[in-house]
Amino acid sequence: QQPVQSPQAVILREGEDAVINCSSSKALYSVHWYRQKHGEAPVFLMILLKGGEQKGHEKISASFNEKKQQSSLYLTASQLSYSGTYFCGALEIYNQGGKLIFGQGTELSVKP
Amino acid sequence: DGGITQSPKYLFRKEGQNVTLSCEQNLNHDAMYWYRQDPGQGLRLIYYSQIVNDFQKGDIAEGYSVSREKKESFPLTVTSAQKNPTAFSLCASSIGRDFSQEAFFGQGTRLTVV
Repeated sequence: QQPVQSPQAVILREGEDAVINCSSSKALYSVHWYRQKHGEAPVFLMILLKGGEQKGHEKISASFNEKKQQSSLYLTASQLSYSGTYFCGALEIYNQGGKLIFGQGTELSVKP
Repeated sequence: DGGITQSPKYLFRKEGQNVTLSCEQNLNHDAMYWYRQDPGQGLRLIYYSQIVNDFQKGDIAEGYSVSREKKESFPLTVTSAQKNPTAFSLCASSIGRDFSQEAFFGQGTRLTVV
């Protein structure tokens, strides 16, 4: 069961803000956020861990509500370079390790 | 430079033919993953492996097989049972034991049935 992302697509003007949400039906150990530009590999943005620790991008922030199994990515004062498809990844832990399951993606377009 | 390499970038398969996609990493990562990316469906997990000689099916494993004989290599075989005419497959790796570490992705392989 993939995490569910919303919205599916968003168009912004340069300098505007956006929020991308990610929700899972399973208990999460951590949430990962990645951005993929067309024709390229996904690139790591941020990890949010249970207990509130965050690791990642300086200009992008995110939140992780463990009880609700939800995460949100906040893009403020967007730049043209922010365009791309954003994926949230939910890390599910099992006996011998974990597996990283991604959502369907949110396509973000920033216009001048 | 450390990284994860997929080859080939483009691959053509005849119906009924099996093909193998290569994924190699020199990051000393324990965990490796294969995902398929389809429009509107994001990245769906095909297979994953946490250690050598062990791997698990993901959500869309039908028509695929893998092996993990070496830590640095996780090849994916697409069999004739896989009906998708085109597919973009991504390989990823992560440290594995430390779940606070990110995954690194290869550049992907685009497979087309001709």
